[in-house]
Amino acid sequence: QKEVEQDPGPLSVPEGAIVSLNCTYSNSAFQYFMWYRQYSRKGPELLMYTYSSGNKEDGRFTAQVDKSSKYISLFIRDSQPSDSATYLCAMSYILTGGGNKLTFGTGTQLKVEL
Amino acid sequence: DTGVSQDPRHKITKRGQNVTFRCDPISEHNRLYWYRQTLGQGPEFLTYFQNEAQLEKSRLLSDRFSAERPKGSFSTLEIQRTEQGDSAMYLCASREGTGNTIYFGEGSWLTVV
Repeated sequence: QKEVEQDPGPLSVPEGAIVSLNCTYSNSAFQYFMWYRQYSRKGPELLMYTYSSGNKEDGRFTAQVDKSSKYISLFIRDSQPSDSATYLCAMSYILTGGGNKLTFGTGTQLKVEL
Repeated sequence: DTGVSQDPRHKITKRGQNVTFRCDPISEHNRLYWYRQTLGQGPEFLTYFQNEAQLEKSRLLSDRFSAERPKGSFSTLEIQRTEQGDSAMYLCASREGTGNTIYFGEGSWLTVV
């Protein structure tokens, strides 16, 4: 069993829809939770970062963490065609020396259609 | 451009050849990471440097792989005797000492033929 599970999609929605992306995890040591967006053949770009249970909002994006259920979500409101990308959840704990080791989900491919 | 810079962006090599990738982190970021990503998968952790010290290595990093970060600035990732299974995107990332945000470069694509 993978430490982080994420539905690969693809997910296709009409413009303006609310998108819900989800990940589950099994490692209780994870302390930090992130969502990255990755366009085709590009590096991942950080969208949201949180370390506590609850909701965090940034513009059209809301990240939700439920540590008791080991479940995280990303909501995108008023989705736009430019949101079409692969969305990766990532989780981490602190390594020796203070670094983070990110463990990623497989990514969910999202397409927002006109 | 003040982001993480990687070179080359694309490399096609024959099986058995050696390849080297270079990463220039964001200025003053003392923590540097290498990840590998194959099609349809999320990035997988390979190794981590704090300044010039390599503090963590994944078991994915076989003996054919070596990473260095001389003087704690840029880093290189060398793959010796490449195999077709090494075909992937190699991502470099960096983080400042007290921050929690990890910034990724655009990646170096490797195709082994």
